Amino acid sequence: LAKTTQPISMDSYEGQEVNITCSHNNIATNDYITWYQQFPSQGPRFIIQGYKTKVTNEVASLFIPADRKSSTLSLPRVSLSDTAVYYCLVGGSNAGNMLTFGGGTRLMVKP
Amino acid sequence: DTAVSQTPKYLVTQMGNDKSIKCEQNLGHDTMYWYKQDSKKFLKIMFSYNNKELIINETVPNRFSPKSPDKAHLNLHINSLELGDSAVYFCASSQIGADTQYFGPGTRLTVL
Repeated sequence: LAKTTQPISMDSYEGQEVNITCSHNNIATNDYITWYQQFPSQGPRFIIQGYKTKVTNEVASLFIPADRKSSTLSLPRVSLSDTAVYYCLVGGSNAGNMLTFGGGTRLMVKP
Repeated sequence: DTAVSQTPKYLVTQMGNDKSIKCEQNLGHDTMYWYKQDSKKFLKIMFSYNNKELIINETVPNRFSPKSPDKAHLNLHINSLELGDSAVYFCASSQIGADTQYFGPGTRLTVL
């Protein structure tokens, strides 16, 4: 299972764009890149998933370079409610979808 | 409409006891999981289970055993509880072959 590396924490201010980068040097050909968000006392919640290039949904964008060894989650115009831990995961349909969560990035949004 | 639910939300017990945590999903998913989140917030997969296959994380002690009465339920039974078992346990589900997992609210287990 591919290992991921992401910053332990980040600070931002309301209204700013936040970019969280994740490294996954040993990503496999059939692995997708998925980001989850976790609020205190809640389970992780799916944000976005991609395989290559760029994916955008109503919540975030995901940028994946051609070599797929890293990815960047972009949160536009964050608000206080975006304060959470963000996890980057890589995995495919092998191994029973056993996802490996890293330590996550603790994002603190300040007023 | 709760997609993935767990009971109880909190569980406080003594060392050596046996306890179970229940999980139910109403999403029609084929695969269910158990994760453990420790005090440092690291989330670790324990089991992946569908109708055909149980995949166990090799680091999980055999005191932990998943039991699935049907596709919508995956309960976690823990024998001879130890202090180190104190953590938050999350259940999740997904469609087989899909990477998007839906998590329950968690069960905070405290072993005294």
